[in-house]
Amino acid sequence: DAKTTQPPSMDCAEGRAANLPCNHSTISGNEYVYWYRQIHSQGPQYIIHGLKNNETNEMASLIITEDRKSSTLILPHATLRDTAVYYCIVRVGDEKLTFGTGTRLTIIP
Amino acid sequence: EAGVAQSPRYKIIEKRQSVAFWCNPISGHATLYWYQQILGQGPKLLIQFQNNGVVDDSQLPKDRFSAERLKGVDSTLKIQPAKLEDSAVYLCASSSDRWGSSYEQYFGPGTRLTVT
Repeated sequence: DAKTTQPPSMDCAEGRAANLPCNHSTISGNEYVYWYRQIHSQGPQYIIHGLKNNETNEMASLIITEDRKSSTLILPHATLRDTAVYYCIVRVGDEKLTFGTGTRLTIIP
Repeated sequence: EAGVAQSPRYKIIEKRQSVAFWCNPISGHATLYWYQQILGQGPKLLIQFQNNGVVDDSQLPKDRFSAERLKGVDSTLKIQPAKLEDSAVYLCASSSDRWGSSYEQYFGPGTRLTVT
């Protein structure tokens, strides 16, 4: 079973920041938070991951709360191509990925 | 670098028939995964290979599903006989095992199977 809780859907205006929340209240100390997304008719794509510090890469930023029980994925300037299902996953090392149903993000023109 | 290749992209078969899917991972990736994604759900891991050995096949329905990775490179997943509930997208992924890597998995485009 997935160890995370995400809203089933969200909308965001094009050009605005998209903030996708994830709850992982039972996360253990050695579990990382991973984010993947899946654009329609494609395989999932890795976005970013982190342990306790905030992380940023060319795609997104990941903000993890101090108690690590929740996190937020931020797409700073959403485009139509960011419309996808976003999965938040917690895992240890190379443990298998357990996907939930994710958040369906729709970018509105 | 070239991505994960899968074929065919689409397949329609009748129930009780057999079907096979092929996957070629990213060059040099030792770990290969097969996932099943039913419409409206997230992908579910069926089997994980490390080189040509099986690491995890706990969710593979072994009475009808089989997979192999004989030379530690490409892999095939077979269903025999197929059932209606096997209709899904079958995704292949690979990852590097270099120490310090992020263990991110790279996914192929998937094979959409329809069983009628």
